[in-house]
Formats: sequence, structure tokens, C-alpha cells
Amino acid sequence: QKEVEQDPGPLSVPEGAIVSLNCTYSNSAFQYFMWYRQYSRKGPELLMYTYSSGNKEDGRFTAQVDKSSKYISLFIRDSQPSDSATYLCAIRGNAGGTSYGKLTFGQGTILTVHP
Amino acid sequence: GAVVSQHPSRVICKSGTSVKIECRSLDFQATTMFWYRQFPKKSLMLMATSNEGSKATYEQGVEKDKFLINHASLTLSTLTVTSAHPEDSSFYICSARDASGSVRETQYFGPGTRLLVL
Repeated sequence: QKEVEQDPGPLSVPEGAIVSLNCTYSNSAFQYFMWYRQYSRKGPELLMYTYSSGNKEDGRFTAQVDKSSKYISLFIRDSQPSDSATYLCAIRGNAGGTSYGKLTFGQGTILTVHP
Repeated sequence: GAVVSQHPSRVICKSGTSVKIECRSLDFQATTMFWYRQFPKKSLMLMATSNEGSKATYEQGVEKDKFLINHASLTLSTLTVTSAHPEDSSFYICSARDASGSVRETQYFGPGTRLLVL
């Protein structure tokens, strides 16, 4: 079983739709949860960062964490063509030593928002 | 916001040559930098963790003599692909961990370096 599972899609939605992206993880030691957006041939860009269960909102983006179910989600409201990209969930534990800061990524979900 | 740069953005080289890629944190100090490799339509694969002033920690299966990492300062880490071969062609991305500020436990990524070995 992979540590982090993410549906690779691809996901295609019309402009204005609500998009739901999800990841599940297996290790309850994970404590920090991030969502990155990656445009083609570019480095990942941090979208959302959270470390507690519940919802965190930033503009059209809402990150949701359910630690009891080991499930995280990213919701995009009023999706735009410019949101078309690959979305990666990333999770980090609290281990020290040389593993400190190491992220575990999901496979990435390819999203296309068409006009 | 935190900015990480990479240089060069794209490099084409002949088989057998060595290529150096630089990763810089522009507006923060990064005691830890990470090097990733990404194949088309795939997720990021961590290659190594680079700590300033100490030896890098390589992931299983990554050849340390092949991929030399130097983290000589708090804002610069370099990855050298030695004796590159066509199978080393890939998209290499670095990231830097900002250990200060309000979002201090996450990583900021560079724009990536596309390497093509002929």
C-alpha cells in the first residue's frame, strides 16, 4: 500500500464548476498537509498548507483534513480555465534527523477546466 | 513570498559530460534543500535531502556518486549529474524548506531544470 494515494484523473470540468480533489494516506504520524499546483513544465506552487483537522479557506480554494479517516481534500469553487494544471497533495510527518522536512507526494491529479 | 530559483532552466548535453544545476533560495535561508526528479505525467520522486554544511542524504536507489550534491551555503545547493547518459534525461526540481515565519514547515519549489542528454 502506498503511503499516499491520489486519483490521477484526468478530471475535466466546465468553467464555473466546483472541483473536488482527494488524497488518502496510511500513516497516522503524518501531521502536515499541503496542496501544490503544477503547470506544465513548471515547478510546483504551494496552494494550501494546514496541520489540523477541519477546513481552511483561501479565496476559491478550501482545504479539508479529516485525520480520523486519513483523508484530505481540496475544493476549488467557480473553477476557471486558468486552474487547469496538475494538483499534488503532499504530506509530512514530524520525524526528526535526516528525514526532517521530507514530503510524501500523491501521484497528482490532472485537471482541465474548459470554457 | 518565498522564491526559489534554478539555473539553468534547460540544458542539452552530450553523453558522458557532467552537468551542474544550481538551486537558490532568494529571500529566505534554507538549512534544508531537496532534489527531485520528475518524469512526464508522473509525480515527484525525491532523490536526496541536502543539509547545509553536511553530507546529503540519498534516497534508496539513487547513486550518490552519480548525483553529487553540495549545499555550501544557506541559500545555495547544487546538483551535479556526472557522466550523464540519455537515461538521465528528466525534469529536475529543487525545493527549499523555510524554517522561519508562519508557514515554516513546508517546501517552496524552484521552476525546474529540463535535462536532455544526447
